[in-house]
Amino acid sequence: EDQVTQSPEALRLQEGESSSLNCSYTVSGLRGLFWYRQDPGKGPEFLFTLYSAGEEKEKERLKATLTKKESFLHITAPKPEDSATYLCAAIMTGNQFYFGTGTSLTVIP
Amino acid sequence: DAGVTQSPTHLIKTRGQQVTLRCSPISGHKSVSWYQQVLGQGPQFIFQYYEKEERGRGNFPDRFSARQFPNYSSELNVNALLLGDSALYLCASSLGGASSYEQYFGPGTRLTVT
Repeated sequence: EDQVTQSPEALRLQEGESSSLNCSYTVSGLRGLFWYRQDPGKGPEFLFTLYSAGEEKEKERLKATLTKKESFLHITAPKPEDSATYLCAAIMTGNQFYFGTGTSLTVIP
Repeated sequence: DAGVTQSPTHLIKTRGQQVTLRCSPISGHKSVSWYQQVLGQGPQFIFQYYEKEERGRGNFPDRFSARQFPNYSSELNVNALLLGDSALYLCASSLGGASSYEQYFGPGTRLTVT
């Protein structure tokens, strides 16, 4: 069965304490892996797209990587404004997006 | 440029009623997808439309229907509302086509069924 699993469910970090979020997928015919940020009560905000194993993308304090079975979102020296829920999604053959349940990140000043 | 817009922002309906939600995609985007997000969960795929044709359908009952108009805007219709339909309904647009998968989301419509 196609699915996307994220871990941990919740993460509390001190400001400046780097960490990684995990997204593992069992999706046949993967066409792309996406990371989104979602603030409470708002729509997800697009962050990155990864298409092939070994690919990496960076944006400010965030870096996304992809292997054949999982993706990581690395957060370097986070700030309180990075607090949000981070969602990953995989698109497979047929153009259907499968979302994980997200990691709720809290960065404490 | 304007992003994806959705209306209304909030909606309260009674069980058994019908509701229509609206979405306008980013200018130049020809594909629209609809998602349901229950509190604490990730978005669940409902429909995708491209050039007014249905391209994908998630595991939702026939009470859910959608359509896309010539200007690429879209409507999601839900009939015979149940309490469990209470959720944030998200619309996402993308360029469409064979290799344009990046989706950009609107702010959502919060539906409460009482």
